Order: sequence, then structure tokens, then C-alpha cells
Amino acid sequence: QKEVEQDPGPLSVPEGAIVSLNCTYSNSAFQYFMWYRQYSRKGPELLMYTYSSGNKEDGRFTAQVDKSSKYISLFIRDSQPSDSATYLCAFDRGSTLGRLYFGRGTQLTVWP
Amino acid sequence: DTGVSQDPRHKITKRGQNVTFRCDPISEHNRLYWYRQTLGQGPEFLTYFQNEAQLEKSRLLSDRFSAERPKGSFSTLEIQRTEQGDSAMYLCASSPLQGVSTEAFFGQGTRLTVV
Repeated sequence: QKEVEQDPGPLSVPEGAIVSLNCTYSNSAFQYFMWYRQYSRKGPELLMYTYSSGNKEDGRFTAQVDKSSKYISLFIRDSQPSDSATYLCAFDRGSTLGRLYFGRGTQLTVWP
Repeated sequence: DTGVSQDPRHKITKRGQNVTFRCDPISEHNRLYWYRQTLGQGPEFLTYFQNEAQLEKSRLLSDRFSAERPKGSFSTLEIQRTEQGDSAMYLCASSPLQGVSTEAFFGQGTRLTVV
């Protein structure tokens, strides 16, 4: 079983839609939960990270973590064409080493 | 500060040749990471430096791969006797020693094509 599972999509939605992106994980040692956005041929950029179960909101983005189910989500409200990118979930054990474990990414297209 | 800088952005090499990539982290970031990303996959961890010390290496980092970070500043990743399977995007990231390690800032990557 892979430590991180993420549906690669592709996901295509109209502008203004609510987008839901999800990942599951199996490693109970993961303590930090992150979402990165990656535009084509660019490096990943950190969108949000959370430490505990619950919700965290930042503008149009909401990150949700359910540690009991080992499930994390990213919601994008009022999606825009500029949100079209690959979204990567990532996990950190919180050790001093800081290696990140990534999902394979979900490719999102928001069409006008 | 302009962020994490990687050079070159693209590299095409013949199988069997050696290649070297450079990463300049954000100044004063003590932690530096190398990842590899293939098409349709997420980044995979290769190695980690804290200052000049290489503290962790993935099993993905075969004997043909070597990384250095002299003086704890920039880092280089060398691949010897390249193989077609080495074709990928090589990403460098850095983060400050203080704070949670999750705040890793990535460079734009070096895209390697082995022909």
C-alpha cells in the first residue's frame, strides 16, 4: 500500500464551481498536512498547511484534515481559470529532517 | 531575495554522460532538499542537507548520484553515467532551520532529458 493516495484526475470544472480535492494516507506518523500548487513546468508552491484535524481557511481555499480517517481535502470556492494547475498533497512526519511525502497530484482545469 | 534558484533550467544529455545541477537556496535557509519528479507523479525525496551536512539520503539516490553543499550555501547534484531512466525534473527546495519544516520553498527545477 502506498503511503499517500491521490486521484490524478484530470478534473475539469466551469468557472465559479466549488472544487474538492482529496488525499488519503496510511502513515500515522504524519503530523503536518500540506497542499502545494504546481503550474506546468514550474516548481510546486505551498498553498496551505495544517497541523491538526479540523479546517483551515485562507481566502477561497479551505484545507480539511481528518486524522481518524487519514483523509485530507482541499476545497476551492469560486474557482477561477487561474486556478488551473496540478494540486499536490504532501505530508511531513514533523521530524527534524523534514522530508515531505507527496501524492501524485490532481490536474485541475477551470474553464471560463 | 528572489527565491530558490536552479541552474540550468533544461539539460539534454546523451546516455552515459555526466551532468551537474546547481541550486542556490534562499539566503539564510539552513535546510536544503533535492527531489525528483517524473511526468504524472509527485516529487520524490532524494536527499537533505542541514547546512553542509548531508543528513538523509533516499534509496533512490544510487551510487551514480552524488550531492554536495560546500560551506552550507549552494548545492550541486551530479549524476554520473546517465541513463534514460534519469530523465525527470530535479527540484531543489529550502527552508529555515527554525519553524516547522513544512515551509519548504521550491525552485523552478532542472528538466533533464537523457537521449
